[in-house]
Amino acid sequence: AQRVTQPEKLLSVFKGAPVELKCNYSYSGSPELFWYVQYSRQRLQLLLRHISRESIKGFTADLNKGETSFHLKKPFAQEEDSAMYYCALSGRNTGNQFYFGTGTSLTVIP
Amino acid sequence: SQTIHQWPATLVQPVGSPLSLECTVEGTSNPNLYWYRQAAGRGLQLLFYSVGIGQISSEVPQNLSASRPQDRQFILSSKKLLLSDSGFYLCAWGRQGLDYGYTFGSGTRLTVV
Repeated sequence: AQRVTQPEKLLSVFKGAPVELKCNYSYSGSPELFWYVQYSRQRLQLLLRHISRESIKGFTADLNKGETSFHLKKPFAQEEDSAMYYCALSGRNTGNQFYFGTGTSLTVIP
Repeated sequence: SQTIHQWPATLVQPVGSPLSLECTVEGTSNPNLYWYRQAAGRGLQLLFYSVGIGQISSEVPQNLSASRPQDRQFILSSKKLLLSDSGFYLCAWGRQGLDYGYTFGSGTRLTVV
């Protein structure tokens, strides 16, 4: 069965420190992985997709099929990165829907 | 460009009253439409999704129902609200294939009193 696990509900880092939000998944087939972000008082929005191999707002995420992980990383955290982050998965076996993790609330301490 | 509208933003309803939340999408045709509930510690729970007019898939049994009367309109309803229906409800749309991810509405905070 498809599953997305975000082991950390809360994560705090100091400004300028590296940050890594963990995401592990379970899926039989080739998954498509995404990270969504929700800033305070804003709507949930797409941050990045693994298929694009892009860096958005300094964040990157690499799909590691061997470890079934899609961790979100940023070398130097900024205060404006404080938000709720969701990892999500889709693929041919998920029909027309995404599976979301339970989210990680990131706080960047000034 | 595509936009998604969801209303109302907040709603306070008494137990036993009916519910109707509406979501509309502009700028695209034949979108996949979704209703999610966002709860602290439980993340995003998919309630319903629709791949076309009149086609509704339910993910969890509950006191809610959904309808898609038009291509770009998705409605979340209840005949009689329960206290446990309180929460934050999100509508989203996605293209077929989901390559581009979802676009979410701004959400509705429902409080059942």
